[in-house]
Amino acid sequence: DQQVKQNSPSLSVQEGRISILNCDYTNSMFDYFLWYKKYPAEGPTFLISISSIKDKNEDGRFTVFLNKSAKHLSLHIVPSQPGDSAVYFCAATQGGSEKLVFGKGMKLTVNP
Amino acid sequence: KAGVTQTPRYLIKTRGQQVTLSCSPISGHRSVSWYQQTPGQGLQFLFEYFSETQRNKGNFPGRFSGRQFSNSRSEMNVSTLELGDSALYLCASSSFGTSGGQDTQYFGPGTRLTVL
Repeated sequence: DQQVKQNSPSLSVQEGRISILNCDYTNSMFDYFLWYKKYPAEGPTFLISISSIKDKNEDGRFTVFLNKSAKHLSLHIVPSQPGDSAVYFCAATQGGSEKLVFGKGMKLTVNP
Repeated sequence: KAGVTQTPRYLIKTRGQQVTLSCSPISGHRSVSWYQQTPGQGLQFLFEYFSETQRNKGNFPGRFSGRQFSNSRSEMNVSTLELGDSALYLCASSSFGTSGGQDTQYFGPGTRLTVL
């Protein structure tokens, strides 16, 4: 049973435009969500997180939105840059646990 | 501050052998978690250690084990290797227990294990 789902395997956008990456979850006990970026042959790099008590968190070009009623979160990257091209993972956890449940990832390609 | 380091970066073993992977967390971090990444299953949680005690465990067979030392460094061991154990093994550390609120996990570069 996949508790965190990233239904689109890939996304291609033009440099300067907005990238929107989506993530759905099924476990209503999840209360903390994170986005990681991963390049080949490297470990995931933390991007941004959001607690379930918020519906939006912003850090520079990255904004995460959380819709608890829909069990949906999204990552917005504005403006997108070629260096953003990577695989993005959505992850969730609950109750302060260090056990992260990851989605399968989505490959973002930003074209110059 | 130095990041999470993992050794070795690459490893080739044959079926039936055992392997030990090492992880050094970020200085001051006392929680270390291990994940397995495969093309089919994605990133899956193996276990987490805090203050030398296993606090959480994922759904992996008993061939997968780990430990943590007093300096927070951690090792994981896989015995009787199978072809399906070929994967990228990632270690992550966090400041759990040393700060308030939810802690972020920071990942190392991983160890690529190939089982022949």
